[in-house]
Amino acid sequence: KAGVTQTPRYLIKTRGQQVTLSCSPISGHRSVSWYQQTPGQGLQFLFEYFSETQRNKGNFPGRFSGRQFSNSRSEMNVSTLELGDSALYLCASSWTSHEQFFGPGTRLTVL
Amino acid sequence: AQTVTQSQPEMSVQEAETVTLSCTYDTSESDYYLFWYKQPPSRQMILVIRQEAYKQQNATENRFSVNFQKAAKSFSLKISDSQLGDAAMYFCAYTRRGQGAQKLVFGQGTRLTINP
Repeated sequence: KAGVTQTPRYLIKTRGQQVTLSCSPISGHRSVSWYQQTPGQGLQFLFEYFSETQRNKGNFPGRFSGRQFSNSRSEMNVSTLELGDSALYLCASSWTSHEQFFGPGTRLTVL
Repeated sequence: AQTVTQSQPEMSVQEAETVTLSCTYDTSESDYYLFWYKQPPSRQMILVIRQEAYKQQNATENRFSVNFQKAAKSFSLKISDSQLGDAAMYFCAYTRRGQGAQKLVFGQGTRLTINP
């Protein structure tokens, strides 16, 4: 089976812009979770989608949003980018809670 | 809220030796999973080992084993016969068991260096 894929791998944006990141889960996985990784805050949970519904949400401002499509692919959107949004954004897919498989991440740089 | 603490920001070990990475966690739940993930320089998170809280037996995966002390809320990772390819950031993580419990709570990580 193909692993979790994320596009794009690298992204450079300027403050105030918005960005959309994409994640394709492993075939058959219906849950997709997003995490933000920064040197200062470490790995933090953003949100999780299951069957097109947001099931869990982390403690992030409303500028961070996501959605999931009927084929389980997921997108996350960050509006009005701030310098502090520069991070590695990781997507993980799972079939059950006892094992999540991560994608390679999208490195977002905000200038 | 659940928290995970890794008190060793960095560790180093000689190739072929054994190293133990520490992790403690805090939760009021009785049923949960604990994980160790490895993140090499490529940044790809790789699951190393998983432990179910309801199982008393410590999990083992080849050279990797854990020491799970539920009462003490401790979950350490032992790497035997360390190899150069083991060099990476290691993250301890927790998630509660049950439907909808996909949120992983991570520790701050331990950077492991393998000396040849």
